[in-house]
Amino acid sequence: EAGVAQSPRYKIIEKRQSVAFWCNPISGHATLYWYQQILGQGPKLLIQFQNNGVVDDSQLPKDRFSAERLKGVDSTLKIQPAKLEDSAVYLCASSQSTRNNEQFFGPGTRLTVL
Amino acid sequence: KNQVEQSPQSLIILEGKNCTLQCNYTVSPFSNLRWYKQDTGRGPVSLTIMTFSENTKSNGRYTATLDADTKQSSLHITASQLSDSASYICVVRVFSGGYNKLIFGAGTRLAVHP
Repeated sequence: EAGVAQSPRYKIIEKRQSVAFWCNPISGHATLYWYQQILGQGPKLLIQFQNNGVVDDSQLPKDRFSAERLKGVDSTLKIQPAKLEDSAVYLCASSQSTRNNEQFFGPGTRLTVL
Repeated sequence: KNQVEQSPQSLIILEGKNCTLQCNYTVSPFSNLRWYKQDTGRGPVSLTIMTFSENTKSNGRYTATLDADTKQSSLHITASQLSDSASYICVVRVFSGGYNKLIFGAGTRLAVHP
């Protein structure tokens, strides 16, 4: 079974530029999550989708971050414009549903904002 | 406030030695607790899951314990190997707002030296 795929793996941009990350969850997984993991900290949930609907985006900085999952499969996370404090690893995870199912994580995208 | 605290923050041990990582949580209502292993540059991978009624669960050289009364969990690693070098993250699932949420600890960074 293929795991959660993410791209790119690494991205370096200058502040005020825009960036987009892509995630392809495990086939058949209805729930998709985007996390931000700052160095030395645990992951922080940014947004959770159930199919193509948003379940929780309470910690998403909506003035600069946006995410979509239009067809209920792949998802993109965008930052526009980026700030220095956005430097982090962005993890995508998926699970079969929002119930007590295990979340499977992708390898993450490491973003460096200069 | 739902919180998960881990100790120590970092740990260095020699290959072949045992170690124990700690996790204290103030989460309600508790659903389950997982220990994740996160290798450098990779996403977290689940090691064990424990529910309210479980006290001990093993996965090879990893043994997790849970004391639901004191809200403490530990992860014991036996006969450590170089490949155990990673961050170990304690994650508690809570049912909040009509759906399940994960509360992540900051992790313990373990380095196993030859």
